[in-house]
Amino acid sequence: DSGVTQTPKHLITATGQRVTLRCSPRSGDLSVYWYQQSLDQGLQFLIQYYNGEERAKGNILERFSAQQFPDLHSELNLSSLELGDSALYFCASSVEIQGNSPLHFGNGTRLTVT
Amino acid sequence: AQSVTQLDSQVPVFEEAPVELRCNYSSSVSVYLFWYVQYPNQGLQLLLKYLSGSTLVESINGFEAEFNKSQTSFHLRKPSVHISDTAEYFCAVSLSGGSYIPTFGRGTSLIVHP
Repeated sequence: DSGVTQTPKHLITATGQRVTLRCSPRSGDLSVYWYQQSLDQGLQFLIQYYNGEERAKGNILERFSAQQFPDLHSELNLSSLELGDSALYFCASSVEIQGNSPLHFGNGTRLTVT
Repeated sequence: AQSVTQLDSQVPVFEEAPVELRCNYSSSVSVYLFWYVQYPNQGLQLLLKYLSGSTLVESINGFEAEFNKSQTSFHLRKPSVHISDTAEYFCAVSLSGGSYIPTFGRGTSLIVHP
């Protein structure tokens, strides 16, 4: 058990809809990362927060947004969903934001857009 | 920017045989290197890491990886695999200076046959 909790585990929704994915980081970790995993793109970095502030952005679409709350949990909002957004979305956390700090991953949220 | 190449998408092997999963990276600065393992329906878990010092690093379950700076490689090896080692393995690199966000390879599926 990594200590990172993601909800829900599965999400099925229709095109054009909006969903929210939730993540609670491991106790003591201040940094939260969001990754998208798909068969054709592999594991793609979306966005990272540290102690409530956005610190890095990756290949995140404008239709997607995220935030980290004062209690350090994070939410990833996906709107105007398209079929191509179907993927496994992972949250990860780390203690620090240096490159030598390994990530601890949740079990992911599997999003299916129909 | 750094990049990671995992040369094999799938590696089938028989139980108790040795295995090597290959990983090459590109970066113009010093790096930190990681191997993560993903079992079915789970998130990624850290297997081992190279931060500095000895170029040979080991995990608790018999895997080892060797950092080769001249070859820009970080191949993962195990002298004798078990059925339970069947999983997806990801190589990741982050920079010791500048961008600390880990970049992941596309993954290698290790399939151990009885």
